[in-house]
Amino acid sequence: DAKTTQPPSMDCAEGRAANLPCNHSTISGNEYVYWYRQIHSQGPQYIIHGLKNNETNEMASLIITEDRKSSTLILPHATLRDTAVYYCIVRVATGSARQLTFGSGTQLTVLP
Amino acid sequence: GAVVSQHPSRVICKSGTSVKIECRSLDFQATTMFWYRQFPKQSLMLMATSNEGSKATYEQGVEKDKFLINHASLTLSTLTVTSAHPEDSSFYICSFSAGGGSVYNEQFFGPGTRLTVL
Repeated sequence: DAKTTQPPSMDCAEGRAANLPCNHSTISGNEYVYWYRQIHSQGPQYIIHGLKNNETNEMASLIITEDRKSSTLILPHATLRDTAVYYCIVRVATGSARQLTFGSGTQLTVLP
Repeated sequence: GAVVSQHPSRVICKSGTSVKIECRSLDFQATTMFWYRQFPKQSLMLMATSNEGSKATYEQGVEKDKFLINHASLTLSTLTVTSAHPEDSSFYICSFSAGGGSVYNEQFFGPGTRLTVL
């Protein structure tokens, strides 16, 4: 699985968009970008994933650059409940189950 | 998404005792489960991969005789920490994978169990 680099921490004002960057310059063609988050003392929660096209769901948007070497997770209207550690994970998606390798992630703090 | 439960959510025990943690998937069946642990201010680290009906595969540095994993059914896996010591105090998290045909391998995590060994 390709290595990812994320800033250790970010702040965001409540109600504003939170843009969380992730660098994955060694990503290969068959690797997807996954985002999970972990609220304090809870298990991680799946947010979104993508291969090369931008993706959007009810939680967030994922913007992947054309060269796929970086991506940005966007929470369009951050709330206090979005305060969490956000993990960007790059890995091959297969039909069989594989573990996730978690890096250090970005601690997002949403400020009132 | 799928719902995964863990029991207990929090346990405090004396050094030398054994603790069993249950992980259940409530609305789907999974042949594969993962057990992670997380020390304070650190990221999740995979401990072992468990396949239903077979022996678990442990990561390097994880003692298989200390952390006993039983995956007896498609909806239940247990982790038993035997002869627990204070250094085993950690946050233990299980997850099921939406594999078995799903190309995306979304994982569903339990809420975690906080183990404190005195």
